[in-house]
Amino acid sequence: DAGITQSPRHKVTETGTPVTLRCHQTENHRYMYWYRQDPGHGLRLIHYSYGVKDTDKGEVSDGYSVSRSKTEDFLLTLESATSSQTSVYFCAIRKTANTEAFFGQGTRLTVV
Amino acid sequence: QQQVKQSPQSLIVQKGGISIINCAYENTAFDYFPWYQQFPGKGPALLIAIRPDVSEKKEGRFTISFNKSAKQFSLHIMDSQPGDSATYFCAASENSGGSNYKLTFGKGTLLTVNP
Repeated sequence: DAGITQSPRHKVTETGTPVTLRCHQTENHRYMYWYRQDPGHGLRLIHYSYGVKDTDKGEVSDGYSVSRSKTEDFLLTLESATSSQTSVYFCAIRKTANTEAFFGQGTRLTVV
Repeated sequence: QQQVKQSPQSLIVQKGGISIINCAYENTAFDYFPWYQQFPGKGPALLIAIRPDVSEKKEGRFTISFNKSAKQFSLHIMDSQPGDSATYFCAASENSGGSNYKLTFGKGTLLTVNP
């Protein structure tokens, strides 16, 4: 398995609170991605990074921010969690563009 | 705008049958087309991938067929087995340089193979 660790694996939080999810890789891959997975919607890209401090928005970025201060860590922050952000969040990494993406095990987030 | 459209949403096949999942795309700059397999509670994992310079790629029981002019590609699973029961995602990405390294997924197909 690719060296990707997502933390926490499960979290329940209250509406309006900030939440940070962490993706840590040991592969030294340049590209990192955050997706959310919801029934009927598949995997939707939230944000991605193409290098340290280089990030860009995906298709569902509203309400989310990211940071990448080190190659190995990509943080996803929900600035003020809402019930619509209840989802399973996956981190993925790629060594180069247009090569295999490796996924983490996911974080199940519930906003109550 | 949904850049990668996948069908069907769900598929039931008998053991030994052929499973076929289809995807269509709009962006002609896409040049990498992977298929991912996901089991419940796990992250997606690469199954097979193709680039547009070939029309077909086969790995064991899994085959991708690619039609560049129609902007369509499909996954065929021959001799489907109950262990193939999973959710399958097609995806596409482009290597256009700059910052555009998105990997875009279809909505997924839930495959059930009955014994």
